Amino acid sequence: GAVVSQHPSWVICKSGTSVKIECRSLDFQATTMFWYRQFPKQSLMLMATSNEGSKATYEQGVEKDKFLINHASLTLSTLTVTSAHPEDSSFYICSARGVYEQFFGPGTRLTVL
Amino acid sequence: QKEVEQNSGPLSVPEGAIASLNCTYSDRGSQSFFWYRQYSGKSPELIMSIYSNGDKEDGRFTAQLNKASQYVSLLIRDSQPSDSATYLCAAGGAGGSYIPTFGRGTSLIVHP
Repeated sequence: GAVVSQHPSWVICKSGTSVKIECRSLDFQATTMFWYRQFPKQSLMLMATSNEGSKATYEQGVEKDKFLINHASLTLSTLTVTSAHPEDSSFYICSARGVYEQFFGPGTRLTVL
Repeated sequence: QKEVEQNSGPLSVPEGAIASLNCTYSDRGSQSFFWYRQYSGKSPELIMSIYSNGDKEDGRFTAQLNKASQYVSLLIRDSQPSDSATYLCAAGGAGGSYIPTFGRGTSLIVHP
């Protein structure tokens, strides 16, 4: 299958700081990228969908000013968690879609102290 | 609202048995269907995709699709303890503009 990388794999930060997570499709061009959040033992929760060069579409209840998404190219999307707080601690997973199939990155575990 | 339903399990099978995972979807317009495997603490991994009615086999995995019944299944033959994971079913549209809908997943436990 296609490869999606995500960086960093884990991050610990202080409350109030911002954290940027990068997602790259390494061997294909992604028409669409998705950002998910997953709390322990819970299902995937879609946060937003982004297409290259367009503004991201956020799911209901997701604060667009807190979770900034930039999809600068067909192979790179970034998620910035601004002014992070302990309740933002979670497993953030990006996903990239080529033609039909959607591939997930390895995820970023964010811990906010 | 588009929904994908899965039994949360856990489904427990002995090693060497066939594990049968099932999924139903609500949107009759769905054209593409996927099974992902997710180990605890890891991200989902695509293991099967199916687009046409019938069976699709890949190694020990067989995906089955019945669009009339809006039903997708995944069979795992000769189950191994390493198959123990949560299996996510997803349904999507055609082309590149759809947002896939994921089920909540079925937990599979394969015991020696």
